[in-house]
Amino acid sequence: RKEVEQDPGPFNVPEGATVAFNCTYSNSASQSFFWYRQDCRKEPKLLMSVYSSGNEDGRFTAQLNRASQYISLLIRDSKLSDSATYLCVVSDFFSGYSTLTFGKGTMLLVSP
Amino acid sequence: NAGVTQTPKFQVLKTGQSMTLQCAQDMNHNSMYWYRQDPGMGLRLIYYSASEGTTDKGEVPNGYNVSRLNKREFSLRLESAAPSQTSVYFCASREYDSFRDTEAFFGQGTRLTVV
Repeated sequence: RKEVEQDPGPFNVPEGATVAFNCTYSNSASQSFFWYRQDCRKEPKLLMSVYSSGNEDGRFTAQLNRASQYISLLIRDSKLSDSATYLCVVSDFFSGYSTLTFGKGTMLLVSP
Repeated sequence: NAGVTQTPKFQVLKTGQSMTLQCAQDMNHNSMYWYRQDPGMGLRLIYYSASEGTTDKGEVPNGYNVSRLNKREFSLRLESAAPSQTSVYFCASREYDSFRDTEAFFGQGTRLTVV
């Protein structure tokens, strides 16, 4: 069974802080990786894809370490609006099909 | 700019009743998915459809059936609802082939309570 593991948190941080989340995945053949954001009682939405070379989008930086099978998300200068649950997502291929496996999510609470 | 549309948004069923959750996407995606989300369990895949005319079981398919009616629509049916099926259900779609592996777009969810 493919698994994606995350620390559930919550991570409580003040505004302006830097916070990092990690995620590990069990299937070494996984090929695509994503971070999604989910607000309370809402649908998940893509935050960013994660590329092998690492990538940055404004205050958000994602890293992939294939050798150790983990993915990270760094949020700099946290805003109150960053409070949400962050889902680590892995895409697995088999028999020509692809499914997405979700971690259970890490909750972030940013306080004034 | 509809994206993925799910109906209904809320539903209360009695044990043993049946219902169908509807999902439609207007992005011409080939792959569609049904997930359920329970507290502490994360999103779990119920069924998926890699392309029109195909469906496959996911992690938790028992008690559910699906139909990929056409490229746009993917419905989830509960034949005889049980309290254990109380959950939030999300439909999703994405484009996947040998060259592309895109993000998944989600519907707004259906909050189902079985009493």
